[in-house]
Amino acid sequence: SQQGEEDPQALSIQEGENATMNCSYKTSINNLQWYRQNSGRGLVHLILIRSNEREKHSGRLRVTLDTSKKSSSLLITASRAADTASYFCATDLYNNNDMRFGAGTRLTVKP
Amino acid sequence: DSGVTQTPKHLITATGQRVTLRCSPRSGDLSVYWYQQSLDQGLQFLIQYYNGEERAKGNILERFSAQQFPDLHSELNLSSLELGDSALYFCASSVDGTGGEKLFFGSGTQLSVL
Repeated sequence: SQQGEEDPQALSIQEGENATMNCSYKTSINNLQWYRQNSGRGLVHLILIRSNEREKHSGRLRVTLDTSKKSSSLLITASRAADTASYFCATDLYNNNDMRFGAGTRLTVKP
Repeated sequence: DSGVTQTPKHLITATGQRVTLRCSPRSGDLSVYWYQQSLDQGLQFLIQYYNGEERAKGNILERFSAQQFPDLHSELNLSSLELGDSALYFCASSVDGTGGEKLFFGSGTQLSVL
């Protein structure tokens, strides 16, 4: 079964705007990761945040984690058309090592 | 290029048939994961192996089986195929399959059951 749930399911913005995607999960986790998938291709790892971290940055990406609310957000700043893709959060559970993915947010960035 | 190789890229078969999907992990990675991605189900975790042993099991049907061989490549066997098994099947690998590792994904096998 899936652990994470992304919100919104789809997001359409103009180039240069910021994009925010949210992920909620159900049980305690060790880590949360965000992945990107270009249409029909394999997923690519973007960023990992551990359960004892609250915020992490990588280039134009900012991830936050709120373990009390069991939620995370991914912010992409100054978006580009090339950011058009689906974005997934993935969690490894506190008592398990396998990675569970949400259904993803489909982001469209219009030039 | 992630370093994870999946073959074949596309597979078209009929209901009731059996197919084998193959995955070669990144050099040095000991753990392999299998995922199924369909339009209405998102990315579903099927099974994980570490160094030849099954480590975790997800929503894998009894008609499906997998194994990881001594050379660390893995195969996913799908039998008695149904129309609903049509999906993109991904393999991913990581160094030791413990939490906190990033996964490297192959480009997937697109299975079409007609």
